[in-house]
Amino acid sequence: GAGVSQSPSNKVTEKGKDVELRCDPISGHTALYWYRQSLGQGLEFLIYFQGNSAPDKSGLPSDRFSAERTGGSVSTLTIQRTQQEDSAVYLCASSLVVWKGLINSPLHFGNGTRLTVT
Amino acid sequence: SQQGEEDPQALSIQEGENATMNCSYKTSINNLQWYRQNSGRGLVHLILIRSNEREKHSGRLRVTLDTSKKSSSLLITASRAADTASYFCATDGETGFQKLVFGTGTRLLVSP
Repeated sequence: GAGVSQSPSNKVTEKGKDVELRCDPISGHTALYWYRQSLGQGLEFLIYFQGNSAPDKSGLPSDRFSAERTGGSVSTLTIQRTQQEDSAVYLCASSLVVWKGLINSPLHFGNGTRLTVT
Repeated sequence: SQQGEEDPQALSIQEGENATMNCSYKTSINNLQWYRQNSGRGLVHLILIRSNEREKHSGRLRVTLDTSKKSSSLLITASRAADTASYFCATDGETGFQKLVFGTGTRLLVSP
C-alpha cells in the first residue's frame, strides 16, 4: 500500500496482559515515530527511529513500554503488563528525510491502533 | 510535555465563513507544521512553514508565523462542511534531534 499501515486497528485486552502493535511505514522512509493520543487530547511523543536505531526513547512512559524496528522497515511497539491508563490510540508515522537531525519533511500517519485495557 | 497550544479549543462556524486558529509555542523552532485529523483517523499534513518565513499559502489555507511572539495562525477561507476536523500545530526545536511536538488541537465544526 501507499500509506502507513498499522495493525490491529482495534485491540481489547485484559489488564496485565502484553500487547504488540505493528507499524508498516511507507517504503523508503527512514524515520519512524510512535505517538500516543488519549481521548480528545493532543499527541504524546513516545519514540523515534532513524533506520533501526532509536536515538530518542525519552517519551516512553515506563519500562513496560519497548519498541523495535527491523530492516529499517516494520516497527513493533510492545506494552507489557498493560494497565488501564495505557488505553489510548497509538499512532505511527514515517517521514522521508531527517536532515542533520532536523525535521524537514512532513510526517505521514497511519490510522492508529485503538487500545482498550479492561 | 506539549509545546504548542491551540486557541480556541473548539470553533463552530457556518459554511462559507472563514476559520482562524492560533498556535502558541514555547521554545525556538526550525519549522512549524499544521496537521488535520478527521475523527477516528490519523493526522494529515497540511502545510509547513520555516522559521525564516512569515506567511505561506496553500489553496484555501493561509499560515502565518511570528517567531518574535512564538505564535502561528491557520486561516481556512470559504470553509466547507468537509473541513470539519481537529487541527493541530506541531513544532520541532532549533537544535539537536527534533521530535515533532504537537499541540492540543482545535476542533472545528463547519455547519452546512
